[in-house]
Amino acid sequence: DQQVKQNSPSLSVQEGRISILNCDYTNSMFDYFLWYKKYPAEGPTFLISISSIKDKNEDGRFTVFLNKSAKHLSLHIVPSQPGDSAVYFCAASESNYQLIWGAGTKLIIKP
Amino acid sequence: DGGITQSPKYLFRKEGQNVTLSCEQNLNHDAMYWYRQDPGQGLRLIYYSQIVNDFQKGDIAEGYSVSREKKESFPLTVTSAQKNPTAFYLCASSIRQITDTQYFGPGTRLTVL
Repeated sequence: DQQVKQNSPSLSVQEGRISILNCDYTNSMFDYFLWYKKYPAEGPTFLISISSIKDKNEDGRFTVFLNKSAKHLSLHIVPSQPGDSAVYFCAASESNYQLIWGAGTKLIIKP
Repeated sequence: DGGITQSPKYLFRKEGQNVTLSCEQNLNHDAMYWYRQDPGQGLRLIYYSQIVNDFQKGDIAEGYSVSREKKESFPLTVTSAQKNPTAFYLCASSIRQITDTQYFGPGTRLTVL
């Protein structure tokens, strides 16, 4: 029973365009959400987070949107750059309990 | 140069043998974590520790054991009781809480033959 789902295993986007990565969750008690990025042969690195009291958080080229009614989270990368090619994981937590992770989406930025 | 080190990068063991994966951090973080990643799945928490000499089971602790005798070190032992030990293992640390930014090591790929 996956509480956090990333339904697209991979996504291919042209350099300079917007990349949109999606994440759905089932537990309405989740109150904190994070995105991590992973390059091959490295551990994941933190990208951006959002609390359930917000619906948007922005950090440079990265924006995370939270739609609580739809239980949906998305990460927007604008503009996409070659260095953004990586696997992106979303994760969620309820009341500071353990993180529940999605399976990841592999983003490929085409030149 | 602060960070988390995991060794070795690749590990091969025969079925029925216990094996210990190393994780060391010099970030002065209180909390440390062990995750397992399998193809097509998200990271799953095996064990975590928020303070020296204390640790809690995660979702998939069966067949694993840990110790936290020093703040810097959180070794994971994969025992022969773990039914499907072949996987990619990631160690992480954070300042204090599980939702603080977690810093990950490069991982250890364990293959049981």
